[in-house]
Order: sequence, then C-alpha cells, then structure tokens
Amino acid sequence: EVQLVESGGGLVQPGGSLRLSCSASGFTFSSYPMDWVRQAPGKGLEYVSGIRYNGGFTYYADSVKGRFSISRDNSKNTLYLQMSSLRPEDTAVYYCVKKYATGSYHYDFWGQGTLVTVSS
Amino acid sequence: EIVLTQSPGTLSLSPGERGTLSCRASQSVSSYFAWYQQKPGQAPRLLIYGASSRATGIPDRFSGSGSGTDFTLTISRLEPEDFAVYYCQQYGSLPYTFGQGTKLEIK
Repeated sequence: EVQLVESGGGLVQPGGSLRLSCSASGFTFSSYPMDWVRQAPGKGLEYVSGIRYNGGFTYYADSVKGRFSISRDNSKNTLYLQMSSLRPEDTAVYYCVKKYATGSYHYDFWGQGTLVTVSS
Repeated sequence: EIVLTQSPGTLSLSPGERGTLSCRASQSVSSYFAWYQQKPGQAPRLLIYGASSRATGIPDRFSGSGSGTDFTLTISRLEPEDFAVYYCQQYGSLPYTFGQGTKLEIK
C-alpha cells in the first residue's frame, strides 16, 4: 500500500524557515518523480514544486522561486521542501504527491498534508 | 501559465440526478488532464486521468471527456458520498495548474 506521510509543519514567523519532509513507502520511491502541492485555508490547490526521480531536474512555481528548495534522498525514501523567507501568503496545507509515471504526470497518490502557518 | 476555469462554481443537485462539471483551459493541454475529488478535511483523490481514464477503484458512474481546451466530468447518478469539491488539473505544461474548484452540494 502506497503511503506518503508529511511532517515538519507548524507555526513560523514571517521571514523564518521551515523544512518539510515526506516519508514514502509501498512503492519504489527512487523510480518516481514527486511534487509538492499546497492549499491555503478555504482555497484551491496550487502547484509548488517538483523533482525528477533522480533529483536531476527541479521546478518551482514563480510564487516560491528563490525561496523554496526541493530535494530527495532516495536512500531514505524521503522527499523534502526547504522553505525560507516565509510570508503570510505561504500559509497552507502542504501535500506531498506521487506522480503516476514518467510520461503521465497526474497525481495518483497524495499524503494527508502538513499545515504551515506563517504569522507573527 | 495555463489557466483553468471551472463551471459552475457551485452545483446543487439531488441524489440520483446526473451531474455535469466543466473545465476550460486557456490553451490546449491535449489529453494531459485530470479530475480530483476532495472532501472536507481530506486530501484530494484522483478520479480521472488522461481526460477520460478512470483511476483504480473509481466507480463507473464517473466519466470524463474532452481534449484540447474543453473538458467535462459527468457523474451519471449521484450518490450521497459524491457531494464534495471537484478540481480539474492540467499536467501537460509546467507549472501544472488547477481549476478553482466546483462545489457539488446536496439540493
């Protein structure tokens, strides 16, 4: 059974930093590209960042470019999102998502999400 | 960035009725298109990918159609558990984008 478990969320002051982790199990993590998607309270879904299966390519939404960094450790089956210079508008539930496969990048599995609150 | 516009914003129907949700893309996404269902307090769940392929375990009352810029999600006969928010997504062009959502509510 595929499981994605996010952790690391919490309350942080504007300008602060936070690192999210996503522990993956039930599939060959090193073979799949992964993304982060967020959802502000009461709002819709927003793509944040993505990483190729081997970490060789990364992509960021304009809203987080230069502030967030995605990475993965395939030996630990873990995806990361390092967030810095956080702003109140970064407040959201952050979901770790697995892509179906190379060539079809829809999201077949989602984690339960971790809440990040940026406030003074 | 490709903008997805869903309509209607809210759809009020009764169990047993047919539901039709639409999504229009600002430019062609071919068939790199998906639909997700989200219930309160839960993560989204994949329903349809490739515009018309049902995900594993999704009942056949859910169907997707369309290609290019216009897509439709049809729920043939609404069950009580189908009342939720539905999002469309294009994954043909980075950044992947989502529609703003359609809330399907009980009439």
